[in-house]
Amino acid sequence: GEDVEQSLFLSVREGDSSVINCTYTDSSSTYLYWYKQEPGAGLQLLTYIFSNMDMKQDQRLTVLLNKKDKHLSLRIADTQTGDSAIYFCAETYAGNNRKLIWGLGTSLAVNP
Amino acid sequence: EAGVAQSPRYKIIEKRQSVAFWCNPISGHATLYWYQQILGQGPKLLIQFQNNGVVDDSQLPKDRFSAERLKGVDSTLKIQPAKLEDSAVYLCASSLGLSAGKVEQYFGPGTRLTVT
Repeated sequence: GEDVEQSLFLSVREGDSSVINCTYTDSSSTYLYWYKQEPGAGLQLLTYIFSNMDMKQDQRLTVLLNKKDKHLSLRIADTQTGDSAIYFCAETYAGNNRKLIWGLGTSLAVNP
Repeated sequence: EAGVAQSPRYKIIEKRQSVAFWCNPISGHATLYWYQQILGQGPKLLIQFQNNGVVDDSQLPKDRFSAERLKGVDSTLKIQPAKLEDSAVYLCASSLGLSAGKVEQYFGPGTRLTVT
């Protein structure tokens, strides 16, 4: 069945890089997404990657996709206190009305 | 461009009472989603509309939850009667449509419901 898993917590120092990991089970995933949720706020789409890509870079964000291992990661360079939030990995695949399958979220704490 | 609007932002009710949430999606977005997010969990899709038709309501507890999008624009989600386990944030999202390709969902700020 469909499943997306993430580690629940990550703590980093300001200025360091953060790497948030995600694994998924559905090999027919078409797009994989990273969403950010700040306290008391809705979800904000950060970036996405199409399943035929290995890597995507967008300013401080780098997404790596290992399709063989069904592993997705989000690297945040030069992590700032404003990056403290919950990060959700989500996938969608053809044939499910493009419904998003969500992980439980990784809570990122950035320490000064 | 205005984002997805939701109201109210917060609601506290007693169990067995009724409550309704309202969502206005981004103009031109054909697809509208209602999610339930319980503290510490990811969002759970309750219902998905394409214009004014229901695409997926497989996880909607239909004995107590109902939703409508009569004119294909704004939408209302109702709970009647509420239970303690309905305490959650109810998120509304919208996207352009279900055409092939990525689905970029835009989320509203959510309504935090507390059932006592």
